[in-house]
Amino acid sequence: DAGVTQSPTHLIKTRGQQVTLRCSPKSGHDTVSWYQQALGQGPQFIFQYYEEEERQRGNFPDRFSGHQFPNYSSELNVNALLLGDSALYLCASSLIREFTDTQYFGPGTRLTVL
Amino acid sequence: QQQVKQSPQSLIVQKGGISIINCAYENTAFDYFPWYQQFPGKGPALLIAIRPDVSEKKEGRFTISFNKSAKQFSLHIMDSQPGDSATYFCAARPGSARQLTFGSGTQLTVLP
Repeated sequence: DAGVTQSPTHLIKTRGQQVTLRCSPKSGHDTVSWYQQALGQGPQFIFQYYEEEERQRGNFPDRFSGHQFPNYSSELNVNALLLGDSALYLCASSLIREFTDTQYFGPGTRLTVL
Repeated sequence: QQQVKQSPQSLIVQKGGISIINCAYENTAFDYFPWYQQFPGKGPALLIAIRPDVSEKKEGRFTISFNKSAKQFSLHIMDSQPGDSATYFCAARPGSARQLTFGSGTQLTVLP
């Protein structure tokens, strides 16, 4: 049973560019959450997708957008990249009907903005 | 009110010792408190979690102690092993929402 997978593993972009990160949830999961983890910090919630809609959003600008597909996989898009967007981007999947909604994290995509 | 404060930032323990990491929160709506373990280059992995209707939960060498009145909870790692060396994050979530609020992390080093 595959866990949460993310692609690519690493990515280098320059300021002003756009980036798309991808996530496949754990088998049987229907909800995907995205987090940004700066070096030496805890993950910060970006948004969560369920039934192909954004259900919750953290304190991130509109440059951060996402999408969920019918097969529950998800994309995170970041436009007009800033140096401060350099971070590890984590995807977490869960099953929304479980009360505790345990979130299982993928290995992350390391984004470097030059 | 959304913050979760974690301490210490780093911790060095001898093999066989007890590692203790503490977290405090302000938001009384939080009702689910997981702990995650993260190794370099990996995503966080759920270790153990607790709800505020119990004061303690134990799974193997890992124990969460929860003090609802003080709004504090802690992770105890008994018989710490070098393989436990990792970064540990506490987190919290209100029942009405799905997002996790994480602490800033504790880098644990267990010396052989």
